[in-house]
Amino acid sequence: GQNIDQPTEMTATEGAIVQINCTYQTSGFNGLFWYQQHAGEAPTFLSYNVLDGLEEKGRFSSFLSRSKGYSYLLLKELQMKDSASYLCAGFDSNYQLIWGAGTKLIIKP
Amino acid sequence: TAGITQAPTSQILAAGRSMTLRCTQDMRHNAMYWYRQDLGLGLRLIHYSNTAGTTGKGEVPDGYSVSRANTDDFPLTLASAVPSQTSVYFCASSEGQGYTGELFFGEGSRLTVL
Repeated sequence: GQNIDQPTEMTATEGAIVQINCTYQTSGFNGLFWYQQHAGEAPTFLSYNVLDGLEEKGRFSSFLSRSKGYSYLLLKELQMKDSASYLCAGFDSNYQLIWGAGTKLIIKP
Repeated sequence: TAGITQAPTSQILAAGRSMTLRCTQDMRHNAMYWYRQDLGLGLRLIHYSNTAGTTGKGEVPDGYSVSRANTDDFPLTLASAVPSQTSVYFCASSEGQGYTGELFFGEGSRLTVL
């Protein structure tokens, strides 16, 4: 089966660093996505990890460990505009994308 | 660049009525998807289409139907709406046939069934 688990809500301070974790259990693996979704808006793509390791894109980095069924999204130099929900998604054995419920990130000044 | 356009943005519908949510993309993407998003739950796939002329059932297809007559359009129809279909509906597309990369989402259609 497929389960995508991520924390419901996190709070961080402007200028700081925050790590959002995502764990998954799946009988098949074909990569893991991270999306950002501002309130009332559509999700937008952040990253897609297929291989183990860290991929960096500016202030955002995404890490994957396939053996541990674990990924995280690292956000550096937090800005108020980073307040959003962050969605983790992975594939099930039927190659369908399964989404976590999202982590609501609240940035405080 | 328009990307994916959904209509209507918001709708209130009486239970038992039918409704079609429209989705049009101008990126010539092969695959298109319909998701619903409910508070506390992840996006759930309703139906998908890997290429024009084909459709498939997702995780929660009951009460919904789709068609894919051409590459650009992928309407979602609720034949007889029920209150449990109150949700935000997102249409999405991806370039390849299936999940080969980034999904592009429309702005969503908020549907309330009373």
